[in-house]
Amino acid sequence: GAGVSQTPSNKVTEKGKYVELRCDPISGHTALYWYRQSLGQGPEFLIYFQGTGAADDSGLPNDRFFAVRPEGSVSTLKIQRTERGDSAVYLCASSLSPDYEQYFGPGTRLTVT
Amino acid sequence: DQQVKQNSPSLSVQEGRISILNCDYTNSMFDYFLWYKKYPAEGPTFLISISSIKDKNEDGRFTVFLNKSAKHLSLHIVPSQPGDSAVYFCAASGGDSNYQLIWGAGTKLIIKP
Repeated sequence: GAGVSQTPSNKVTEKGKYVELRCDPISGHTALYWYRQSLGQGPEFLIYFQGTGAADDSGLPNDRFFAVRPEGSVSTLKIQRTERGDSAVYLCASSLSPDYEQYFGPGTRLTVT
Repeated sequence: DQQVKQNSPSLSVQEGRISILNCDYTNSMFDYFLWYKKYPAEGPTFLISISSIKDKNEDGRFTVFLNKSAKHLSLHIVPSQPGDSAVYFCAASGGDSNYQLIWGAGTKLIIKP
């Protein structure tokens, strides 16, 4: 009965580099969400997947951010040309469907130097 | 603009007493409200929720009250226990995107022995 897992737990990268953050949702959960939490703030919605498709990507801050979920399970959040302002904890959550409670992973702490 | 506000960054309560955490919102389209609890280095964990058709929901030591006219909700924990020490987030959803949680900045609750 594993919960949502995220890898890596910590990622330090240099400004301008490309990073990938992985999320493994709870088995059977069709809905998957990415949030970003900056220091001292609550999580901020980035994108929502229903199955394989991104149903709502309105929270992605710009076109450097992209996420995929090719088989409707694992998702990868991709950030190109990272900037220091991208430093945050990236949280992934999953739920049985959009109407159900969201279960969160422990997050990936991204630091851009 | 912050649609969900938690104005107290921290709160200290004696063990055994009542803890009251407050949350205000501005968007009248919100129709579902949740409280999450977060320990360091872990993701948020769902605690309790309330629909806008209710004004109170109780689950064991936790009760959430909703005052729609004041756009205010509160979480009561009684009696408070040391394990309740954590950051508590208020979140809301509603309107066209019921899956998109809008979060407050959190309140750090410290239970003193």
